[in-house]
Amino acid sequence: AQSVTQLGSHVSVSEGALVLLRCNYSSSVPPYLFWYVQYPNQGLQLLLKYTSAATLVKGINGFEAEFKKSETSFHLTKPSAHMSDAAEYFCVVTFWVRSQGNLIFGKGTKLSVKP
Amino acid sequence: EAQVTQNPRYLITVTGKKLTVTCSQNMNHEYMSWYRQDPGLGLRQIYYSMNVEVTDKGDVPEGYKVSRKEKRNFPLILESPSPNQTSLYFCASRKDTGELFFGEGSRLTVL
Repeated sequence: AQSVTQLGSHVSVSEGALVLLRCNYSSSVPPYLFWYVQYPNQGLQLLLKYTSAATLVKGINGFEAEFKKSETSFHLTKPSAHMSDAAEYFCVVTFWVRSQGNLIFGKGTKLSVKP
Repeated sequence: EAQVTQNPRYLITVTGKKLTVTCSQNMNHEYMSWYRQDPGLGLRQIYYSMNVEVTDKGDVPEGYKVSRKEKRNFPLILESPSPNQTSLYFCASRKDTGELFFGEGSRLTVL
């Protein structure tokens, strides 16, 4: 069965430090992978997506993620955290785009940024 | 502006009183879905719709109904709400390339 795991429900970093949010998936077919961000009292917004074109994907707000097939991972990184990055981040996996109706959400990682 | 609009944003109701949360999108997306978000459980899919008149159960459909009579609207119906349906609900539509567009959320409290 397909699944997605986000390691760490809470991550705390200092402002200016590297952000690393981990996501691992299991799948027997090539996945489509997404990272979404949820700021307090808001809906989710797309940060970036992987759809097999390039393994290193750049998103908004300086975030990027690398698809590593051998490790079945799609970790989200940002070189230097900003206070405005404090939010909850969700890794989402889907295995087809048109024919498959269901998507699988990770449980989310809440990022705190200390001054 | 491309958007998904949910109403109401906040609602307090009592057990057993039927309610409907509306969802509308202006992007002509075929796929729409409903999720509930609860602390520690992340987002769980309630129902989804691949197109008009086509709906299917997600992970937690019990106690909910949906309909898809037209492409832009996908209302969520709670026929007889119970306190365990107190949650934050999100509607989303999906582009053909896979990206989801979420509404702002509807916070429901059932007393």
